Amino acid sequence: KAGVTQTPRYLIKTRGQQVTLSCSPISGHRSVSWYQQTPGQGLQFLFEYFSETQRNKGNFPGRFSGRQFSNSRSEMNVSTLELGDSALYLCASSLEPASIFHFGNGTRLTVT
Amino acid sequence: DQQVKQNSPSLSVQEGRISILNCDYTNSMFDYFLWYKKYPAEGPTFLISISSIKDKNEDGRFTVFLNKSAKHLSLHIVPSQPGDSAVYFCAASARDSGYALNFGKGTSLLVTP
Repeated sequence: KAGVTQTPRYLIKTRGQQVTLSCSPISGHRSVSWYQQTPGQGLQFLFEYFSETQRNKGNFPGRFSGRQFSNSRSEMNVSTLELGDSALYLCASSLEPASIFHFGNGTRLTVT
Repeated sequence: DQQVKQNSPSLSVQEGRISILNCDYTNSMFDYFLWYKKYPAEGPTFLISISSIKDKNEDGRFTVFLNKSAKHLSLHIVPSQPGDSAVYFCAASARDSGYALNFGKGTSLLVTP
């Protein structure tokens, strides 16, 4: 069974631009969560989608948004990029919200 | 504020010995705890979990202990192997907050031959 797939693996953007990251969950998994990892803050929860609905959201500004499609694939978008948005963005999927989450290898975003 | 804390950024253990990784939490609503292992350039890999109704869970060389009164959990690896060298993250979740994972900042384990 294929794992969680995140694309692209690396991305370089400039301040003010916007970016879209993609996540394909494990087949059959309906819950997708996004996390941001930075050296200073560690791994922080961004949001979770289940059956195309955002069911949970972390403490991030509105510039961070996401969506989930009917095939459970998910995208997250960051608008008006800031230097502090440079981070590893990790997607995780599970059968349902109360199940074990399995992570992808992440997208490394660098904002210059 | 950090609700899950791993106070040891790094740990070095000899091959064959026991590795003990510790984790403390502050939120008494947490009812599910997990350990993830992370190699460089890869995402975290699920290792073992424990529900708050238990105080111990074992899976092969890995055992997690939970002390709810002390709000403390630990991961024991016996015997430690060089391939166990990685960063270990402790995570906690609560049904009341939708099972979002709250992570510690990780402990880097080095197992030397």
